Amino acid sequence: GAVVSQHPSWVICKSGTSVKIECRSLDFQATTMFWYRQFPKQSLMLMATSNEGSKATYEQGVEKDKFLINHASLTLSTLTVTSAHPEDSSFYICSALPGAPQETQYFGPGTRLLVL
Amino acid sequence: DQQVKQNSPSLSVQEGRISILNCDYTNSMFDYFLWYKKYPAEGPTFLISISSIKDKNEDGRFTVFLNKSAKHLSLHIVPSQPGDSAVYFCAASPFGNEKLTFGTGTRLTIIP
Repeated sequence: GAVVSQHPSWVICKSGTSVKIECRSLDFQATTMFWYRQFPKQSLMLMATSNEGSKATYEQGVEKDKFLINHASLTLSTLTVTSAHPEDSSFYICSALPGAPQETQYFGPGTRLLVL
Repeated sequence: DQQVKQNSPSLSVQEGRISILNCDYTNSMFDYFLWYKKYPAEGPTFLISISSIKDKNEDGRFTVFLNKSAKHLSLHIVPSQPGDSAVYFCAASPFGNEKLTFGTGTRLTIIP
């Protein structure tokens, strides 16, 4: 089956620093990748949709200058949390959508971010 | 505003019996619905989906039912097996496999 990896799986950082999370589709090309965030006891919330080679589309309420998304290739998307603050602590998960019709999103294992 | 709701945070079922997981939605623009299964430390994996033109879709032990008038869908697992123990999320979309809105999940425990 299709595999999506994320790196790192968890990260602890100081307030004010930036953190980059990578999402890779290992055995397929992903025309579209998605970034979600999940707070404890809440559902996965879509943050943004990124298509290879174009700017990401952000959901309402998500600051595009704070959550920088780059989808430079068909197998890699990155999410950078800039100037992270404790309220950014969350579980970030990506998914990738192959180009074939009727395909489903394949999810990575997630990255847990803790900002001190 | 939670547009997709799973009101049961947990469910325990005896092995071999039927597991029924429920999901309600409020947005009438949703036309595609999915169920995902998630084990700890892993991402959700796709189980089964249904489009709004159908009211039932079956795949092996898994069947999803959609009641559009009630804005309700359910996932039936029969017979339930210990490996089915996981968190189950329902998701909905107005555009096929994109822009998914997820429920909060139901933790299913199968009792041997």
